[in-house]
Amino acid sequence: DAGVTQSPTHLIKTRGQQVTLRCSPKSGHDTVSWYQQALGQGPQFIFQYYEEEERQRGNFPDRFSGHQFPNYSSELNVNALLLGDSALYLCASSRRTGEAFFGQGTRLTVV
Amino acid sequence: AQTVTQSQPEMSVQEAETVTLSCTYDTSESDYYLFWYKQPPSRQMILVIRQEAYKQQNATENRFSVNFQKAAKSFSLKISDSQLGDAAMYFCAYRSEAGIIIQGAQKLVFGQGTRLTINP
Repeated sequence: DAGVTQSPTHLIKTRGQQVTLRCSPKSGHDTVSWYQQALGQGPQFIFQYYEEEERQRGNFPDRFSGHQFPNYSSELNVNALLLGDSALYLCASSRRTGEAFFGQGTRLTVV
Repeated sequence: AQTVTQSQPEMSVQEAETVTLSCTYDTSESDYYLFWYKQPPSRQMILVIRQEAYKQQNATENRFSVNFQKAAKSFSLKISDSQLGDAAMYFCAYRSEAGIIIQGAQKLVFGQGTRLTINP
């Protein structure tokens, strides 16, 4: 079992650009959640996808959007990047009522 | 909204000794889970231990145990016989069970983390 996989592992973007991060859930999992972890902080919930719909959303602007595909994989898109978007982005997958398993994250640097 | 507070930004312990990490939370709900996650330099969050709020018995996993005080809304992690591999950031997290049947698994609310150093 490959567990939760995220790509890319590192990314450097310029202010104003757009970025897409990808996540493949652990086998058998149907729910994907995204978290933003700023340096030295705990992860903050962005949103969660289940049955290809956004089910919950944290306090993040509309510049953050996502998608879940029929195979349960997911994308996180961020438009009009700001310097403050620099962070580690974590994907977690779970069954609907199960515990979350995390990927190794994507380190996004906005310059 | 639920909040989780870890008041110890850093802790250190000698190898083979015992250390306790503190966590408090605030909620008005009665049905929830609490977790401790470990994040080593590899960045991947690893589940250490979990506690169901309806269970009075404290959870244990080998060298890891918790002290769950529901009325005080306290959830501390005790690591016995500390090993060099235990060095990491430790995060306390809360998960509501409300609405889980309709919405699916609920979000995790994390504390700010405690950096644990193990001295050889």
